[in-house]
Amino acid sequence: QTVVTQEPSFSVSPGGTVTLTCALSSDSVSTTYYPSWYQQTPGQAPRTLIYNTNTRSSGVPDRFSGSILGNKAALTITGAQADDESDYYCLLYMDGGIEIFGGGTKLTVL
Amino acid sequence: VQLVESGGGSVQPGGSLRLSCAASGFTFNTYWMHWVRQAPGKGLEWVSRIDGDGSSAVYADSVRGRFTISRDNAKNTVYLQMNSLRVDDTAVYYCVNGGRAYSCGNWGKGTLVTIS
Repeated sequence: QTVVTQEPSFSVSPGGTVTLTCALSSDSVSTTYYPSWYQQTPGQAPRTLIYNTNTRSSGVPDRFSGSILGNKAALTITGAQADDESDYYCLLYMDGGIEIFGGGTKLTVL
Repeated sequence: VQLVESGGGSVQPGGSLRLSCAASGFTFNTYWMHWVRQAPGKGLEWVSRIDGDGSSAVYADSVRGRFTISRDNAKNTVYLQMNSLRVDDTAVYYCVNGGRAYSCGNWGKGTLVTIS
């Protein structure tokens, strides 16, 4: 069974830079998995941040960026702000058309 | 864009529910539509996707054979028929339109399904 793994938690100082990653148990993540990233604050529906590895959704600040780092997809937040404190999820498009979310990363800004 | 889910509620194990999602603000029949769920205190789980004309659907392993996604483009509505429900199907179910490059786009607020 394919598993998508993210760091369970991460901490960053205000103004700092943090990189969250998304790994695949069975393969290296590449652009062919069309990684996308989502932000969710408690009690709210998720919000789409990044699609197609590195394209920001409309209205997403440019301090959010996506990439492939080594064999993982990555979400980098540059100049973290207090309201970036959220859960972040990656989503991968798999062979056969199914899609799988990672387990999510809880980001603390302090 | 508005996506409004309905049909959630409490059902006993083995029962059935049908979720609906009314869409507006975009050209519905040109968008894939997804259902994504989130169990209490847990992460997101992708459930199912249907293409724009309803001819093709894909399911997560955890629901394949029990859940059926469908759509009525005349009503701008997507459905999720859930049968043989289990306790671990308890979750908030989100309706999501397809974004670019196989991503999820806009999200509804979700509807809670409780199996107990």
